[in-house]
Amino acid sequence: TQLLEQSPQFLSIQEGENLTVYCNSSSVFSSLQWYRQEPGEGPVLLVTVVTGGEVKKLKRLTFQFGDARKDSSLHITAAQPGDTGLYLCAGLPQETSGSRLTFGEGTQLTVNP
Amino acid sequence: NAGVTQTPKFQVLKTGQSMTLQCAQDMNHEYMSWYRQDPGMGLRLIHYSVGAGITDQGEVPNGYNVSRSTTEDFPLRLLSAAPSQTSVYFCASSYSFQQHSGNTIYFGEGSWLTVV
Repeated sequence: TQLLEQSPQFLSIQEGENLTVYCNSSSVFSSLQWYRQEPGEGPVLLVTVVTGGEVKKLKRLTFQFGDARKDSSLHITAAQPGDTGLYLCAGLPQETSGSRLTFGEGTQLTVNP
Repeated sequence: NAGVTQTPKFQVLKTGQSMTLQCAQDMNHEYMSWYRQDPGMGLRLIHYSVGAGITDQGEVPNGYNVSRSTTEDFPLRLLSAAPSQTSVYFCASSYSFQQHSGNTIYFGEGSWLTVV
């Protein structure tokens, strides 16, 4: 069982559409991060959220950390083909020593022109 | 501007062989870690190190050894390769192990390992 559950696992949409990816857990996290990974490369950090209820924006991407720090969402407005990639959430469980970053299984996004 | 460098990029091993995946970072980072990535499983932590001379086990450590003799290098050794170890391996580093805002984790480009 994954500590962090991402949904959906696969998403294929048309250019210009909006989408939301979810990252859920029954555990509380000290912080949560979102990464984007392209084929043949390692994940690249997009954002870190640390406060319950926090919202961060990165151009057309909006990230939200749940009030209880158990979940997060990534919303993309007017998706573009360049947004295609694997989106991973990762968090630091509050009960750990601080060294074990846990990843969700990822959401594969395809934006068709 | 090297960041995190992993070698080799691709490797095919026979069952029972041993090999070492090399990882080096030039950012003077304290924290280094190894993950494996399998379809539908996300990234799973194998081993990590919070500084030279200090290593600890992650989520899936069996069949792997690590050492951290210098700040820069964190090699991952497969003792006796098994088909279940076929995966993509990523090395990562960050300034410290505290996952707070602004503490970016940098990943290498990955090593594709096939065990036949």
